[in-house]
Amino acid sequence: GAVVSQHPSWVICKSGTSVKIECRSLDFQATTMFWYRQFPKQSLMLMATSNEGSKATYEQGVEKDKFLINHASLTLSTLTVTSAHPEDSSFYICSARDIQKVTEAFFGQGTRLTVV
Amino acid sequence: GENVEQHPSTLSVQEGDSAVIKCTYSDSASNYFPWYKQELGKGPQLIIDIRSNVGEKKDQRIAVTLNKTAKHFSLHITETQPEDSAVYFCAASGNTGGFKTIFGAGTRLFVKA
Repeated sequence: GAVVSQHPSWVICKSGTSVKIECRSLDFQATTMFWYRQFPKQSLMLMATSNEGSKATYEQGVEKDKFLINHASLTLSTLTVTSAHPEDSSFYICSARDIQKVTEAFFGQGTRLTVV
Repeated sequence: GENVEQHPSTLSVQEGDSAVIKCTYSDSASNYFPWYKQELGKGPQLIIDIRSNVGEKKDQRIAVTLNKTAKHFSLHITETQPEDSAVYFCAASGNTGGFKTIFGAGTRLFVKA
């Protein structure tokens, strides 16, 4: 089946530093990847849509300069949380859409970010 | 944009009983409705999905129904087991919005042994 690998699974960083999270589709090509944020006991909130070779589309209220997204290849998208603050602490999850299966999306295992 | 509502937020059942989770969606253009199971500290796992040209789909103990006219879809789990305990999310996506997957608020299912 389709596998999406997200790395790291957890990270602790100091306030003011930047953190990069990778999302890879291992056995399929993904022209589109999505980044979600999930607070404890809440649903997944879409942050942005990442398209290979073009700029990401951000949802309303999401700061594009704070959450930098790069989708340089059909199998890799990265999310960089810049100048992280404690309120950025959250569970970040990516999903990737298989180029062959337009509607289905497969999720990574998530990254727990803690900013201290 | 699309909005997905999910009920109940919490559901507690006895092992062996059935569990039903209901969702409604707002965008009539949505045509794909996946259901995800999320365990603590993990990403969502697709358990079943249904497309708008189908009214019902079943996979062993799990079934999903879709009423396009009413914009309702439901998840049915029969013969529940303790390992079914998790958070379940319904979702909707479609041609509009670039096939973004919009999630419901989630249902925390407890199956008591």
